[in-house]
Amino acid sequence: AQKVTQAQTEISVVEKEDVTLDCVYETRDTTYYLFWYKQPPSGELVFLIRRNSFDEQNEISGRYSWNFQKSTSSFNFTITASQVVDSAVYFCALSAETSGSRLTFGEGTQLTVNP
Amino acid sequence: KAGVTQTPRYLIKTRGQQVTLSCSPISGHRSVSWYQQTPGQGLQFLFEYFSETQRNKGNFPGRFSGRQFSNSRSEMNVSTLELGDSALYLCASSLTGIVEQYFGPGTRLTVT
Repeated sequence: AQKVTQAQTEISVVEKEDVTLDCVYETRDTTYYLFWYKQPPSGELVFLIRRNSFDEQNEISGRYSWNFQKSTSSFNFTITASQVVDSAVYFCALSAETSGSRLTFGEGTQLTVNP
Repeated sequence: KAGVTQTPRYLIKTRGQQVTLSCSPISGHRSVSWYQQTPGQGLQFLFEYFSETQRNKGNFPGRFSGRQFSNSRSEMNVSTLELGDSALYLCASSLTGIVEQYFGPGTRLTVT
């Protein structure tokens, strides 16, 4: 079985601060995929990134960066110079070879960026 | 390319009734998955359809069913509605199912 834990339920920062959202996962599969999704108040889940288990290279996309560490089973997400528009619920998710398309989601982290 | 569309966006039903939700995937995507989101249980996988066949199923009772048509559009049906079925139902489409899934805006179902 797969499991994803996002220990931070809510985070509140002031605009322009950097913020890191933590994600820890559990799986016995050797081939798996990790994802981050953003859910604004409108409700739609917006895909942000996918990482394969065999690719530990960190990634940066504009103000967003992701740190994947298999040794600690973590896939953390950092927003640099946060903006009010970053306010949303962020979900980390996992799919594994034995579970096919099924995404296992963490509980989500509510990020509030205050002006 | 148009995104995933779901209809209706909002629905109010009474206990015991049944409901059908519809999802149109991104053009060219053959995999459609359904998820239920509630404050208590979070996001939970219902099932996935690929080329008109149910390929994967979550741990939901048989009252929850679905199907997929030859144009990849999918419907989800819930029979004998219970108060606990009140939730946001999200549909996701994907090329193959294993890679990233793109979600629709959801259907918010309220059961009274």
